[in-house]
Amino acid sequence: NAGVMQNPRHLVRRRGQEARLRCSPMKGHSHVYWYRQLPEEGLKFMVYLQKENIIDESGMPKERFSAEFPKEGPSILRIQQVVRGDSAAYFCASSKTPPYEQYFGPGTRLTVT
Amino acid sequence: GENVEQHPSTLSVQEGDSAVIKCTYSDSASNYFPWYKQELGKRPQLIIDIRSNVGEKKDQRIAVTLNKTAKHFSLHITETQPEDSAVYFCAASDGSGAGSYQLTFGKGTKLSVIP
Repeated sequence: NAGVMQNPRHLVRRRGQEARLRCSPMKGHSHVYWYRQLPEEGLKFMVYLQKENIIDESGMPKERFSAEFPKEGPSILRIQQVVRGDSAAYFCASSKTPPYEQYFGPGTRLTVT
Repeated sequence: GENVEQHPSTLSVQEGDSAVIKCTYSDSASNYFPWYKQELGKRPQLIIDIRSNVGEKKDQRIAVTLNKTAKHFSLHITETQPEDSAVYFCAASDGSGAGSYQLTFGKGTKLSVIP
């Protein structure tokens, strides 16, 4: 009974490098959401995707951030030219066709040095 | 857009007592209100949710109430146990299909249950 999977769990990048975060939804789920959590804060919505489609990216910074959910394979959140302010925990959640419950993965903790 | 306020930010209770966490929301179109529990370094875990056609929902020691007129909802935990200690987040979502069903979260309540 695999839940939402994310990897890597921890990622260290130097300023200017690229970060790739992967998310595999629960079996039977075709909707993926990405959220960012800064220390001591709640989660902030970034992007919502279905297979091969970005539905809503209103929470994602306009530059350096992109997301995809290909027909085959995991959803990927990509951050180019990382800066220290990108250091955070990035969680993905998956659901069946909305408006069903969203279940979260274990997160990827990104540290930019 | 939606804005969710959560209070209190920290809450300490004696084991066996009850804990209440309150949230208010701003968007009258929101109609789905989940609660998540997050232990340190772990994933947010869905513990209970309520939809706008229901005023109250209960699951063992946990209950949630919703007042759509006042735009607030609350989490009630009875007979608290040390393992209830965690950060609790409320959230709101527009499930009508007009939006993307994204969750807007409160800033969290750190609950400490003292043995």
